Amino acid sequence: ETGVTQTPRHLVMGMTNKKSLKCEQHLGHNAMYWYKQSAKKPLELMFVYNFKEQTENNSVPSRFSPECPNSSHLFLHLHTLQPEDSALYLCASSQGGTGAYEQYFGPGTRLTVT
Amino acid sequence: ELKVEQNPLFLSMQEGKNYTIYCNYSTTSDRLYWYRQDPGKSLESLFVLLSNGAVKQEGRLMASLDTKARLSTLHITAAVHDLSATYFCAVDMRSGGSNYKLTFGKGTLLTVNP
Repeated sequence: ETGVTQTPRHLVMGMTNKKSLKCEQHLGHNAMYWYKQSAKKPLELMFVYNFKEQTENNSVPSRFSPECPNSSHLFLHLHTLQPEDSALYLCASSQGGTGAYEQYFGPGTRLTVT
Repeated sequence: ELKVEQNPLFLSMQEGKNYTIYCNYSTTSDRLYWYRQDPGKSLESLFVLLSNGAVKQEGRLMASLDTKARLSTLHITAAVHDLSATYFCAVDMRSGGSNYKLTFGKGTLLTVNP
């Protein structure tokens, strides 16, 4: 596997379900990101992890819970979601540390909440 | 709060024609990125612009950055159908300490017609 991978690619869940999204990067990066892409809205940053530490939570509701066990893996745990949470969830990674670096994106998970 | 505005949001052009997409942003930043997204796919990095006056070219696309005007342009020369996609600009801004975060524009949906 190369680059940034995400599983599953598609997910349909009810509002009372609990599910998790997984992201893995094979680029040797130290920073990982979760973004939400909804129709007709700009790409929204949700969370940032730098060297496994969360450095950004962009006022995301607690029904989204991120987890970063190591620099290569990032999870997004989902619980009691709302229909408006239906969107494409994109994971990205970058070199990390200080400074700004180009982000590389995974293919995304298309989430539908019913 | 950093605001990033792209225009136009929708662009329909004929093959062989030239056009420019504009990206304005509201706060000083030295780093700007252009991404391409095909339908149902992830974001692909096109250009990384890191200083005032930076100009980069790849095939029929050329991107430039004017940090004093807070403006980046993506110029399309002699468009071909394969360029049909959504193009995003994203601006880096320090979000606290040594961390940076990207703010994306809404994207420009480009359709190139035969």
